[in-house]
Amino acid sequence: DAKTTQPPSMDCAEGRAANLPCNHSTISGNEYVYWYRQIHSQGPQYIIHGLKNNETNEMASLIITEDRKSSTLILPHATLRDTAVYYCIGLTGGAGSYQLTFGKGTKLSVIP
Amino acid sequence: DSGVTQTPKHLITATGQRVTLRCSPRSGDLSVYWYQQSLDQGLQFLIQYYNGEERAKGNILERFSAQQFPDLHSELNLSSLELGDSALYFCASSVEGVTDTQYFGPGTRLTVL
Repeated sequence: DAKTTQPPSMDCAEGRAANLPCNHSTISGNEYVYWYRQIHSQGPQYIIHGLKNNETNEMASLIITEDRKSSTLILPHATLRDTAVYYCIGLTGGAGSYQLTFGKGTKLSVIP
Repeated sequence: DSGVTQTPKHLITATGQRVTLRCSPRSGDLSVYWYQQSLDQGLQFLIQYYNGEERAKGNILERFSAQQFPDLHSELNLSSLELGDSALYFCASSVEGVTDTQYFGPGTRLTVL
């Protein structure tokens, strides 16, 4: 099972890059790391996922260490609308119970 | 807008009652997932259906049940409700399996009095 560890909260100045770390030392070699975020009480929103290589899309970049034990989600120019709880997620369970397990995440506050 | 719809948005009921929550997945998605989010437990996976069949089960109580219909919409039935069942219930859908991107609906807020 991919158990993840994230800091409970972070602040970031508006317009600056937000770097959100995640430790996932138990992740296996063929498991993806997923990032979702939840703004207030809305439904979680997919951001990005990756396996080994760094990934970038229109929302964020994902940097995964070579040993795959940790990753960093980068929001290049944080805005107030990026204030949310960010979840770093791996797959847990086995046959008949595979699931994304959302931990407590990191509450990112973007400050004007 | 994720394309996933959930009804109702809010539901207030009494202990011991039964309610049904409804979810319509994005067009073309075959999998539907149900999650419960309460203040003290975070977002908990309940169950997944794929093309009408149960695919994965999480910490779903025996008082809760779900099904996915031939048109792929899904219902989550909660019975013998307790105060502790008060929570946000989210539905998500994906094209096929759990490794595909999940798109979440806006949720149903259930309050049990």
